[in-house]
Amino acid sequence: DAGVTQSPTHLIKTRGQHVTLRCSPISGHKSVSWYQQVLGQGPQFIFQYYEKEERGRGNFPDRFSARQFPNYSSELNVNALLLGDSALYLCASSWASGGTRPYNEQFFGPGTRLTVL
Amino acid sequence: DAKTTQPPSMDCAEGRAANLPCNHSTISGNEYVYWYRQIHSQGPQYIIHGLKNNETNEMASLIITEDRKSSTLILPHATLRDTAVYYCIVRVVSPANAGKSTFGDGTTLTVKP
Repeated sequence: DAGVTQSPTHLIKTRGQHVTLRCSPISGHKSVSWYQQVLGQGPQFIFQYYEKEERGRGNFPDRFSARQFPNYSSELNVNALLLGDSALYLCASSWASGGTRPYNEQFFGPGTRLTVL
Repeated sequence: DAKTTQPPSMDCAEGRAANLPCNHSTISGNEYVYWYRQIHSQGPQYIIHGLKNNETNEMASLIITEDRKSSTLILPHATLRDTAVYYCIVRVVSPANAGKSTFGDGTTLTVKP
């Protein structure tokens, strides 16, 4: 089975531009989350989408937005890029919890390395 | 989600057991303990999770203290490929937060020959 896939792998943008990052979850997973990881730090939660609805948002400005499509893939959009947006952007998918499986583990993709010049 | 505290770095000799501690003194009764690792800027990899009982899988063992305020991840026979940053996370799991994990800075484990 394919794991979580993300595209592109690397991206270079200049300040003020916008960027769209894409993620395809593991087949059957309905929850997709986005994380930003700055060099030397742990991943920071940006968004969670479940069944195409936003279920959580981290402490990120409105320049960051996301959406989930009917096939559960997802896009992360960042407008008006700043130098500080340079980071590894990670996508993670998981199945819904509840019922006989109250726990769930997240499966992460390889990430998109964004460099803002 | 409860906050976790991990040592910033640890060394381990190849072939020996690596014991990585995590403090989560404010954990609540319905929060699970998860461990992930991240190798050289790849995406984090799930290792193991537990609620209150000790757990073991093909990768590692998880020991949770009786009061659940701390846990230890054990890699029984560390290899050079286990060199990575290890993250301990505690969180309630529900459909509302199925995808939210709060990562700290983790423990950088270096396995030495």
